Amino acid sequence: GIQVEQSPPDLILQEGANSTLRCNFSDSVNNLQWFHQNPWGQLINLFYIPSGTKQNGRLSATTVATERYSLLYISSSQTTDSGVYFCAVERWYGGATNKLIFGTGTLLAVQP
Amino acid sequence: NAGVTQTPKFRVLKTGQSMTLLCAQDMNHEYMYWYRQDPGMGLRLIHYSVGEGTTAKGEVPDGYNVSRLKKQNFLLGLESAAPSQTSVYFCASTTTSPSGGRGEQYFGPGTRLTVT
Repeated sequence: GIQVEQSPPDLILQEGANSTLRCNFSDSVNNLQWFHQNPWGQLINLFYIPSGTKQNGRLSATTVATERYSLLYISSSQTTDSGVYFCAVERWYGGATNKLIFGTGTLLAVQP
Repeated sequence: NAGVTQTPKFRVLKTGQSMTLLCAQDMNHEYMYWYRQDPGMGLRLIHYSVGEGTTAKGEVPDGYNVSRLKKQNFLLGLESAAPSQTSVYFCASTTTSPSGGRGEQYFGPGTRLTVT
């Protein structure tokens, strides 16, 4: 099956700093999403981005499907950005897998 | 639009007891999923459904059963709870993408289950 690797595993930032999180995947995919799990456990969908670039406020994401990686950019980080960021992918074979494969996540701590 | 809701939010069971977790979504999504999340293990798929009346096994289905009698509801049952089932359980539902596959996935708030 597809392997998903995220880096770095942990990251500590000062408030206001920028960061880049990376997601590498081992095979071509039809579906790639980024999620944020906040310190209270809530999982929020940030981006659905199988290819190209999207921006939402201070967050943006780019997926280069041909090179099998995606990047999540966080600019001017805030303490509310703390939590775990997951990348998840899916490849639709002929019969479809019907499920996302999650990476192990990047734990981000933003200090005031 | 409530999105994905889960009940209960917390539950403590004794070994051998049974319970049902309810997931409901009001977004008319076809696909629904049950995950468990344990420290250091990430999210693991238990069961999923591709539409009303259908269910399928995920990575860790043993000890769980599911039903999808109505499109908006997906129930997860534990027939005889074991301490190894202590976990946080998340339900999710997924849109259908323009190309016909799965689109964005939305999660419920989670249920924290402790089995003593």
